Amino acid sequence: DAGVIQSPRHEVTEMGQEVTLRCKPISGHNSLFWYRQTMMRGLELLIYFNNNVPIDDSGMPEDRFSAKMPNASFSTLKIQPSEPRDSAVYFCASSFRDASDEQYFGPGTRLTVT
Amino acid sequence: GENVEQHPSTLSVQEGDSAVIKCTYSDSASNYFPWYKQELGKGPQLIIDIRSNVGEKKDQRIAVTLNKTAKHFSLHITETQPEDSAVYFCAASTLGGASKLTFGTGTRLQVTL
Repeated sequence: DAGVIQSPRHEVTEMGQEVTLRCKPISGHNSLFWYRQTMMRGLELLIYFNNNVPIDDSGMPEDRFSAKMPNASFSTLKIQPSEPRDSAVYFCASSFRDASDEQYFGPGTRLTVT
Repeated sequence: GENVEQHPSTLSVQEGDSAVIKCTYSDSASNYFPWYKQELGKGPQLIIDIRSNVGEKKDQRIAVTLNKTAKHFSLHITETQPEDSAVYFCAASTLGGASKLTFGTGTRLQVTL
């Protein structure tokens, strides 16, 4: 298996632009997680899907952030409009069952908003 | 909600020595405690986990201990090697359902020759 796939690996955009991050979880996994990692705040869970349904989105910082999981093999995290403070590494992870199962992380997307 | 504190933030040891990283948690309902290792430019990877029905778990050179009364757990790495150099994260959650993992702030371990 190729593992969790994220694209793009790097994204540089200007403030105010829309950013879309993409994730393909491991086939057969039923849970998907979006995390944000920064030096200041560490690793934060943004949203957690189980069977394509959002279970916990309490970590989504504000309305500028939205996430979708239209099917079991694809998810997007969108930021609109982007701001410099959104600069971070965004990880997608998946697990077979739920948050207490081993989570397999993707390589991350490094987002820079100028 | 759960709060996980991790110490130290950085740790430097000589090759062959042992390394210990400690975490405390706040929610007494937490019963699942994984440890993740993050190498430079990569996502975190699970290296060991422990559930609350045991006090210690070992896998070759790494071991984790759990003290539920004191609400703290620790990662022990023996006979450290240069490839152990990475950032280590502890986490806590409640098994099953809608529970999510809460991560500690990470420990940067440097193993020197």
